[in-house]
Amino acid sequence: SQTIHQWPATLVQPVGSPLSLECTVEGTSNPNLYWYRQAAGRGLQLLFYSVGIGQISSEVPQNLSASRPQDRQFILSSKKLLLSDSGFYLCAWSPGLGQKNEQFFGPGTRLTVL
Amino acid sequence: RKEVEQDPGPFNVPEGATVAFNCTYSNSASQSFFWYRQDCRKEPKLLMSVYSSGNEDGRFTAQLNRASQYISLLIRDSKLSDSATYLCVVNLYNKFYFGSGTKLNVKP
Repeated sequence: SQTIHQWPATLVQPVGSPLSLECTVEGTSNPNLYWYRQAAGRGLQLLFYSVGIGQISSEVPQNLSASRPQDRQFILSSKKLLLSDSGFYLCAWSPGLGQKNEQFFGPGTRLTVL
Repeated sequence: RKEVEQDPGPFNVPEGATVAFNCTYSNSASQSFFWYRQDCRKEPKLLMSVYSSGNEDGRFTAQLNRASQYISLLIRDSKLSDSATYLCVVNLYNKFYFGSGTKLNVKP
């Protein structure tokens, strides 16, 4: 069966510090991968998605970036965090085109920028 | 205009009640439809996919009306454990569009 891992679970970072959040998926090949952010009491905002290694689509202009160095690894980064980057970061995967297109989420990283 | 719109609630219902949530989507080309459940401070979890013919999973029934671009979720015999936020989701190509969620509180 497929599993998705995210770490760390919680993170407190000062303004201006760098960020690296990692997500890995097991038990599947060629997944589509996604990063979302959820601000407190709000809906999910799609940040990035990827349909393959090195292929990243950015949905919202911001100081974040994403990379997919391996098929089942998706990394979210920032060089300098802002206060507004605080939120609940969720990684998700779905099967590629032609398969039952459901989406599954990792446990999330709760980021507080101070 | 938002891709997916939901009534934020909250819906406060007694145990055993039947409750219905609705959602509308804006893009008629949307391909797949889902309901997710999100507990407080947790990740969303897939509750059920929604098919044109309607589908049922235990106490949960989902309906899709493509002509009206409308999705519904019916929960029968509500349990305390059903208290959560219910997210309506549509898929178009590789992207998933989430509603902001409807909060359900089931009271004893």
